[in-house]
Amino acid sequence: EAQVTQNPRYLITVTGKKLTVTCSQNMNHEYMSWYRQDPGLGLRQIYYSMNVEVTDKGDVPEGYKVSRKEKRNFPLILESPSPNQTSLYFCASSSGQQISGNTIYFGEGSWLTVV
Amino acid sequence: AQSVTQLDSHVSVSEGTPVLLRCNYSSSYSPSLFWYVQHPNKGLQLLLKYTSAATLVKGINGFEAEFKKSETSFHLTKPSAHMSDAAEYFCVVSKPGGSYIPTFGRGTSLIVHP
Repeated sequence: EAQVTQNPRYLITVTGKKLTVTCSQNMNHEYMSWYRQDPGLGLRQIYYSMNVEVTDKGDVPEGYKVSRKEKRNFPLILESPSPNQTSLYFCASSSGQQISGNTIYFGEGSWLTVV
Repeated sequence: AQSVTQLDSHVSVSEGTPVLLRCNYSSSYSPSLFWYVQHPNKGLQLLLKYTSAATLVKGINGFEAEFKKSETSFHLTKPSAHMSDAAEYFCVVSKPGGSYIPTFGRGTSLIVHP
């Protein structure tokens, strides 16, 4: 079954304690991305990756890091979390081939609370 | 550059009545357009997509959308709302081919009353 898997689904952490949210896809997709969803703001892109070892900033990258060492994995790292990073996070992937209309596949989301 | 505007943050309908969720886009090329649905505590799921084929696109669960280039719109409709349609809906625009960086609208919350 085609899927994007992210973990943990729910996490409460304290300010400054480094954490990693993992993301894995089984569809051999080139494109992967992280979004955060906040009330009234919709989905905002944090970082994206067009392929292995290729990452780029989205609209709200401050306070986050990513890496893409393998095609299937795209972890999101919060080196020093702060309360304003409390949010719902989604990982997503898509085929990056040069065809139009590529569907984005989303993980089920990770609820992160920073206290 | 591309952008997308969902004209209503909330839409409230009664069960059995038509649904209209509005989306306008802006792009300097012929875009690909999508509608995604997010049910409570779930990830986003593709409803339908337009990719320069037929302008009237049919999706899952009875939804459809019409691409109108002259109006730069891609409104989502359904003839008769069901309670299970209550969810958040996102309109998305992307540039076909090459680098694929989608832009999301802010979402429209559909409320369905019995």
